[in-house]
Amino acid sequence: DSGVTQTPKHLITATGQRVTLRCSPRSGDLSVYWYQQSLDQGLQFLIQYYNGEERAKGNILERFSAQQFPDLHSELNLSSLELGDSALYFCASRSGDYTGELFFGEGSRLTVL
Amino acid sequence: TQLLEQSPQFLSIQEGENLTVYCNSSSVFSSLQWYRQEPGEGPVLLVTVVTGGEVKKLKRLTFQFGDARKDSSLHITAAQPGDTGLYLCAGVWAGSYQLTFGKGTKLSVIP
Repeated sequence: DSGVTQTPKHLITATGQRVTLRCSPRSGDLSVYWYQQSLDQGLQFLIQYYNGEERAKGNILERFSAQQFPDLHSELNLSSLELGDSALYFCASRSGDYTGELFFGEGSRLTVL
Repeated sequence: TQLLEQSPQFLSIQEGENLTVYCNSSSVFSSLQWYRQEPGEGPVLLVTVVTGGEVKKLKRLTFQFGDARKDSSLHITAAQPGDTGLYLCAGVWAGSYQLTFGKGTKLSVIP
C-alpha cells in the first residue's frame, strides 16, 4: 500500500461525457502528479501540483483540467470524452517539489464507449 | 525532442535464467530511476541512480548507470516468477525537473 488513494478504480462512460477522478496523496506529501498510461504511449505525464499551485504541465489536453485543494487532495476532470481517452490514469505524490520518491496510487481505469 | 527508449519491449524467459533490459537516451540524465509495475497496480520505485558509472544492487537485481549518464541497464540473476511485471525506467534530463518515463519492458518469467 503506497498510501496514495485513487477513486474510482474503474469507470465506464460514453463519448462526449465528463468524468472526475479523485486522488488523496500520502499524508504529508505536498506534490501531486497525474499520469496517463495507455498501451501505445506508455506512462505520460499530464500535470503536477505543489501545495495547491500548478507547477508543471505535460501532455495534457485542453479538454482535461485538474486542481489541488487546500486539504491537498486533487481531482482530474476529463470532458468531451473520446474513445482515445480510454486509459489508466495514475496519481502519484511526493513530499518535495521535484525531489524524493514518487508514490503511485493503484490507478483509475477509464473506458470510453 | 528528448526520447527515452527501453529494450526489449517484451521478454519471456524460463525461471532461473538471467536477463538484462536497457534504457537509452541521446541526452544526459541528471538522475534515473527504475520502477516495477505489476498488473492492477501503480509503479513502485526500485532504485535511483545519479552518478555516472554507478552500480546498485537490490538482491538479485543489479542496476548500472552509464558513464556518460545517457543509458542504464537492469540485470536480473536467476529470474523467478515473482519478477514478472513491467519494468519502467524514468529519467530527469539535465536542466529539467520533470521525470519522463520510458514505455517499459514487459517481463514474463515462466515457472
